[in-house]
Amino acid sequence: EAGVTQSPTHLIKTRGQQATLRCSPISGHTSVYWYQQALGLGLQFLLWYDEGEERNRGNFPPRFSGRQFPNYSSELNVNALELEDSALYLCASSPGVSGNTIYFGEGSWLTVV
Amino acid sequence: AQTVTQSQPEMSVQEAETVTLSCTYDTSESDYYLFWYKQPPSRQMILVIRQEAYKQQNATENRFSVNFQKAAKSFSLKISDSQLGDAAMYFCAYPQGAQKLVFGQGTRLTINP
Repeated sequence: EAGVTQSPTHLIKTRGQQATLRCSPISGHTSVYWYQQALGLGLQFLLWYDEGEERNRGNFPPRFSGRQFPNYSSELNVNALELEDSALYLCASSPGVSGNTIYFGEGSWLTVV
Repeated sequence: AQTVTQSQPEMSVQEAETVTLSCTYDTSESDYYLFWYKQPPSRQMILVIRQEAYKQQNATENRFSVNFQKAAKSFSLKISDSQLGDAAMYFCAYPQGAQKLVFGQGTRLTINP
C-alpha cells in the first residue's frame, strides 16, 4: 500500500513568488494535514482538511492557503514568498476519525532565495 | 492550551544499551492519545508507538516501549538493545482538538558503536 506522497521533493523560489506543494494521502484517508518544519523551530501545524473542507488552521498568515480535492489529495499554496518561508513542508493523512494515527509523507523542501 | 515538553535536547547511548527519552504534556482532557515519532536524516516522520490514555497497560512495539504515567502526565519512550538505525530525532506528540498534532521540541538520539 502506497504511503503519503508529496511533490516536488525540492523547490527553489524567489522572494515574492508563489509556491505550490502537492500531497496524495494514503488510500482511504479523508483527512490531510500540513506542517511546517523550519530549522530550529520544530514542527508547526499549518492546515487540516477533511472531506474537502478546511477544518483547522494554525497561526500562519493568510498567504498560506490550500485546498483538498474530491479525491482527497491536497495542495498547499504559499503566496508572496518570504525568506523565512524556507522550510520542510510535511503532509500527513489519517482516516479522519478522532484518535486515529496520522501518517506523514517525506516532505517537500522549499527554499526561498 | 495543551503543550508537550521534551526536556532532553540530545541523548546518546552505546549500541545494544537501553535509553529512555522523556516527555511531559499538559491537557485537561481525560481520554486522548499520545504518540512518539522518529525523524531520521531523511526527514520523514515515522510513527514509533502510540498509547491510548484509557489503557493502563503500557504500549510496546518490539524494542520500543513506553512508560505512561497519566496522573503525572508523563509519557517516556524506552528503546532497548539500541541499534545504529535508531539514530534520529524523536518527537513526542499529542493530538489537540482530536486531530491537530502538537509536537514537543524533539530529542536528538545518537547511537555510539
